[in-house]
Amino acid sequence: NAGVTQTPKFQVLKTGQSMTLQCAQDMNHEYMSWYRQDPGMGLRLIHYSVGAGITDQGEVPNGYNVSRSTTEDFPLRLLSAAPSQTSVYFCASSPGRINEQFFGPGTRLTVL
Amino acid sequence: AQSVTQLGSHVSVSEGALVLLRCNYSSSVPPYLFWYVQYPNQGLQLLLKYTTGATLVKGINGFEAEFKKSETSFHLTKPSAHMSDAAEYFCAVSFSRGSNYQLIWGAGTKLIIKP
Repeated sequence: NAGVTQTPKFQVLKTGQSMTLQCAQDMNHEYMSWYRQDPGMGLRLIHYSVGAGITDQGEVPNGYNVSRSTTEDFPLRLLSAAPSQTSVYFCASSPGRINEQFFGPGTRLTVL
Repeated sequence: AQSVTQLGSHVSVSEGALVLLRCNYSSSVPPYLFWYVQYPNQGLQLLLKYTTGATLVKGINGFEAEFKKSETSFHLTKPSAHMSDAAEYFCAVSFSRGSNYQLIWGAGTKLIIKP
């Protein structure tokens, strides 16, 4: 099993550009989440999904979109990048909401 | 609102000394509790978790944590620190919200090991 994979590892964007962060898992987990990690703030939930076709907003959803067309994939779209979105983004999957979460290696995004 | 507090953004201990990382949460309802570790430039991985049963939970790499309901705490300990324990540690608590659950994360504690 590859576990949770994320691409790209690093990305630099200019303000106003859009892009998609990719996340895939091969563990057949129903639950998937996107977090951003900023120094001193821990992890903040952006969006999550409880299964294919079902997504919901987390704590900091503004400026981000998600979709879940398959169990395996959960891409995160930045609609119009802003410097405030400079962060490290982690995707995680879990067999259930109270179970252990499995994290990807992260994407370090810089918005200039 | 529910919250998770980790006391100390940085904790420094000498190699071989006791490690104690503190986590307190706000809830009157017994939650599910987790400790994760993040090594530099990596994702998070589970150290240990408490769901039900024995309140002293053992995890990987010699770490353990005790769930104390009366103190709403879930502190992480290790008897003897090793250089390889240098990392950031996150406490997370899953709170019940009706028929659903909400996972709340602490801000993290960076563990520094002095030789």
